[in-house]
Amino acid sequence: GDSVTQMEGPVTLSEEAFLTINCTYTATGYPSLFWYVQYPGEGLQLLLKATKADDKGSNKGFEATYRKETTSFHLEKGSVQVSDSAVYFCALSVWGAQKLVFGQGTRLTINP
Amino acid sequence: KAGVTQTPRYLIKTRGQQVTLSCSPISGHRSVSWYQQTPGQGLQFLFEYFSETQRNKGNFPGRFSGRQFSNSRSEMNVSTLELGDSALYLCASSLVSGEAGNTIYFGEGSWLTVV
Repeated sequence: GDSVTQMEGPVTLSEEAFLTINCTYTATGYPSLFWYVQYPGEGLQLLLKATKADDKGSNKGFEATYRKETTSFHLEKGSVQVSDSAVYFCALSVWGAQKLVFGQGTRLTINP
Repeated sequence: KAGVTQTPRYLIKTRGQQVTLSCSPISGHRSVSWYQQTPGQGLQFLFEYFSETQRNKGNFPGRFSGRQFSNSRSEMNVSTLELGDSALYLCASSLVSGEAGNTIYFGEGSWLTVV
């Protein structure tokens, strides 16, 4: 079946550090890929998405590139801020199925 | 415009009771789906409704049910509550259903505690 694997957390970084959160997937069809972010006590917010191979999604300084050859969609940011502290979820959906399959989430803490 | 609205935000129920959660999608969105979030199992898909019809269902027991009304608003019901049903229940909506890259927007969730 379809699945998403994220790097284990939690991740703790200092402000202005470089961030990478790894995400790999297994899918029976040709998936669309997403990163969602969840701040404490809130629901999920879409951070970025990509719908086909080599697409790069970007938003608020975050980027992720859809790599079909490595079945990966790693999240990166060049300089993190304290306000980026949250839980990040990688997810996929397969065409025809209105259903997101999520990774386990990575808790990110940024220290000033 | 208003986002996905869920009510109630917090509730406490006793084992064996039932609960109904409500969701109003973004205006114009016709697909509504529900997810359960727990520390142990993470985010799991419950079901999806489109134009009042259930299109997809996750791997949950029959105690979990839902419906969608003609105005796209949706409710989910959990009967005979168990302690393990304590979770954050998230509603999500999208304009269409099943298309590649379809953006799904989430509400803030309903926190259910079963005691």
